[in-house]
Amino acid sequence: QVQLVQSGAEVKRPGSSVKVSCKASGGTFTTYPLGWVRQAPGQGLEWMGGVIPAVDTANYADKFQGRVTITADKSTSTAYMELRNLRSEDTATYYCARVTAYSYDNSGYYVSGYFDYWGQGTLVTVSS
Amino acid sequence: EIVLTQSPATLSLSPGERATLSCRASQSISDYLAWYQQKPGQPPRLLIYGASKRATGIPARFSGSGSGTDFTLIISSLEPEDFAVYYCQQRSDWRLTFGGGSKVEIK
Repeated sequence: QVQLVQSGAEVKRPGSSVKVSCKASGGTFTTYPLGWVRQAPGQGLEWMGGVIPAVDTANYADKFQGRVTITADKSTSTAYMELRNLRSEDTATYYCARVTAYSYDNSGYYVSGYFDYWGQGTLVTVSS
Repeated sequence: EIVLTQSPATLSLSPGERATLSCRASQSISDYLAWYQQKPGQPPRLLIYGASKRATGIPARFSGSGSGTDFTLIISSLEPEDFAVYYCQQRSDWRLTFGGGSKVEIK
């Protein structure tokens, strides 16, 4: 059974960075992409980006481009999401999730599927 | 970016009743749509993918339909555990997007 276990809650100051980890087990780490979705308190789901471990490629939502980095460590089956220059609006629960597919075109590889297994979520609170 | 608009925002129903939720895309997405269920304090759970295919372990009372821009999730007879928030998500464009959610609450 696929399991995604995320790192614990974080409290950060505005302007700082946070790095959340997501350790996968129960499947072949390089077969599927991993994505990150966040949810502000009482709000909906927002896709941030994802990584394709098989080809070491990451894609990001336009909103987070330049402020987020998503990586995958194949040796430990762990994905990471680092968000920089934190502001209060980044207070949210951050989820990693396995993505069912990726695509390829002349421009490269893209995380492009549905989210079938989810981590438990990591609450990141940004407060001065 | 493809915008998904869900309606209604809230649906108040009793157990045993039928729930009909809608998701409309800002442009055609073929059948590249999924539905998720989320309960308080839990991550979302994949219910339907490819617009109409039930994910593993999902009861038959959940059904999805639609293609192009208009999609529907039907819960044929609400069980107590079905009261939750439901989200749609598209994968037609690699810039994955979610709808704003529909809450099914107990009347």
